[in-house]
Amino acid sequence: EVQLLESGGDLVQPGGSLTLSCAASGFTFNNFVMNWVRQAPGKGLEWVSTIGITGNTYYADSVKGRFTISRDNSMNTLYLHMHSLRAEDTAVYFCAKDFLGSLAPDSWGQGTLVTVSS
Amino acid sequence: DIVMTQTPLSSPVTLGQPASISCRSNQSLVHSDGNTYLSWLQQRPGQPPRLLIYKIFNRFSGVPDRFSGSGAGADFTLKISRVEAEDVGVYYCMQTARSSRSFGQGTKLEIK
Repeated sequence: EVQLLESGGDLVQPGGSLTLSCAASGFTFNNFVMNWVRQAPGKGLEWVSTIGITGNTYYADSVKGRFTISRDNSMNTLYLHMHSLRAEDTAVYFCAKDFLGSLAPDSWGQGTLVTVSS
Repeated sequence: DIVMTQTPLSSPVTLGQPASISCRSNQSLVHSDGNTYLSWLQQRPGQPPRLLIYKIFNRFSGVPDRFSGSGAGADFTLKISRVEAEDVGVYYCMQTARSSRSFGQGTKLEIK
């Protein structure tokens, strides 16, 4: 069974940094494209970042230059390194795995809450 | 960037009746490989999203056949043939045709 478990969410001050982790199990992690998607309180889904199986990375304009996605295939873990955090980054952050060959996220974690506030 | 626009944003439906959600993009979602990467996801209250449909019309594993997707190019539709109580939630279209992905605003399906 595929499992994705996010961690690292916290209350952080504006301008601060935080790293989120997503521990993956139940599938061959290095064979799949992985994503971060966020959802601000009461709002819709917003794509944040994607990392391919060869390590190529893509970012939403809203986080480009501030967030870095990475993966450790030996640890079956996905990361999101977040810097220069803003109030508008407050959200539940989900990691999601793509369905092979479909470019569609078929498995999601439960999410971890990041709150940016002074 | 590709902007996805869903209509309606709210859809009150009677149990057993059909429902339909439209999703339009501001440019074609046909990828250079010839596939059209448009998906539909459902998010029930308090839950993470769930994949329903991928590449326009392909139902994901375990998704009831009352859900169907259609469309082409930049104009897509999700239909539920007979709405059940468990279908309550927010539905999102998502494009992954470009390296910068994007979601529609979401359509809230509720029971009348």
